[in-house]
Amino acid sequence: DAGVIQSPRHEVTEMGQEVTLRCKPISGHDYLFWYRQTMMRGLELLIYFNNNVPIDDSGMPEDRFSAKMPNASFSTLKIQPSEPRDSAVYFCASSSTAGGLRETQYFGPGTRLLVL
Amino acid sequence: DQQVKQNSPSLSVQEGRISILNCDYTNSMFDYFLWYKKYPAEGPTFLISISSIKDKNEDGRFTVFLNKSAKHLSLHIVPSQPGDSAVYFCAASAIRGNEKLTFGTGTRLTIIP
Repeated sequence: DAGVIQSPRHEVTEMGQEVTLRCKPISGHDYLFWYRQTMMRGLELLIYFNNNVPIDDSGMPEDRFSAKMPNASFSTLKIQPSEPRDSAVYFCASSSTAGGLRETQYFGPGTRLLVL
Repeated sequence: DQQVKQNSPSLSVQEGRISILNCDYTNSMFDYFLWYKKYPAEGPTFLISISSIKDKNEDGRFTVFLNKSAKHLSLHIVPSQPGDSAVYFCAASAIRGNEKLTFGTGTRLTIIP
């Protein structure tokens, strides 16, 4: 299995522009998570989905952030308009309830976002 | 409000010695705890976990200890190796079956050859 795939790996954009981050979870996983990593707050959960349905979006910082999961193999995190304080590394992770350690989440390599 | 706290941003340990990473939590509902390891430019990877019904879990060189009364857990690495140099995140979840994890801010461990 290729693991969790994220694109792009790096994104540099100007303030006010729309940013779309993409994620392909591990095949067969029914949970998908979006995290943001900053020095001050570490890894923050933004939103997570179960079977493509958003379960908890309480970590989404504001209305400028939105996430979708149109099918089991694809999710997007969108920031519109972007601001310099959104600069961070964004991780996608997935997990399975099919057995084993349910809370073991598998992370993608992350997207490093810089908003100028 | 940080429910999971790692108060040491960094730690340096001599190769071959024991590394001890600490984590404190405030939410008494947390019943499952995990450690993740992260190398630069990679995503975190699962390392070891412990349920609240235990006070110790061991996996090779890695041991996690849980002190529920103190709301404290620690990760011991013995002996420390250069490849252990990474950022270590402590994470916790409440109510087994709830997939949501709360992470700490991480501790950067550097193993000195």
